[in-house]
Amino acid sequence: AQKITQTQPGMFVQEKEAVTLDCTYDTSDPSYGLFWYKQPSSGEMIFLIYQGSYDQQNATEGRYSLNFQKARKSANLVISASQLGDSAMYFCAMREGRKGGSEKLVFGKGTKLTVNP
Amino acid sequence: ETGVTQSPTHLIKTRGQQVTLRCSSQSGHNTVSWYQQALGQGPQFIFQYYREEENGRGNFPPRFSGLQFPNYSSELNVNALELDDSALYLCASSLHTLRLAGNTGELFFGEGSRLTVL
Repeated sequence: AQKITQTQPGMFVQEKEAVTLDCTYDTSDPSYGLFWYKQPSSGEMIFLIYQGSYDQQNATEGRYSLNFQKARKSANLVISASQLGDSAMYFCAMREGRKGGSEKLVFGKGTKLTVNP
Repeated sequence: ETGVTQSPTHLIKTRGQQVTLRCSSQSGHNTVSWYQQALGQGPQFIFQYYREEENGRGNFPPRFSGLQFPNYSSELNVNALELDDSALYLCASSLHTLRLAGNTGELFFGEGSRLTVL
């Protein structure tokens, strides 16, 4: 079973508008972390935002915010005021693992965002 | 830039050959993870190294092996290359702690090594 599901292979948004990228996850571990990464064509994975499973408030980082709905197991990324440079692949990922042990990230298949001028 | 450097950036090999990919981790980071990203897919965890020992492995065969050196840099070795090994190989460094408050365990990725197997 997929642990991270990103149902939008591609999304389009007009410059300066907001866009939401969907992510649902599946885990039985009460302690986990959720990440969003941006991958431009250069290949480097750029960290955007993090949400811990016990965090009470939704994470925000500048123009990025995470709409965390724990009961629905969703962690959608909201990008406000889109810019042309936001065009890239976006990956949702989940960290599982015991404290002090090996911790790996499980990634979704990604969403390709295109920002139109 | 994350401070994680990988080499080579691109390489072409033929089936059956062996390849070594290298990674220098970000200063102060003691853990290195390797991921394989096939075209059109998300990265998949290969393994992680901490204190020069393998500290977790994904669903990859033994012909995928690695090393971590005292300076925390790392190598990924793949023997008997197959066509399906063609992918972007990403190295990520992090600081392995007992998850202190505010420590997200964030991974810092390099730009990857793109391997093509013919």
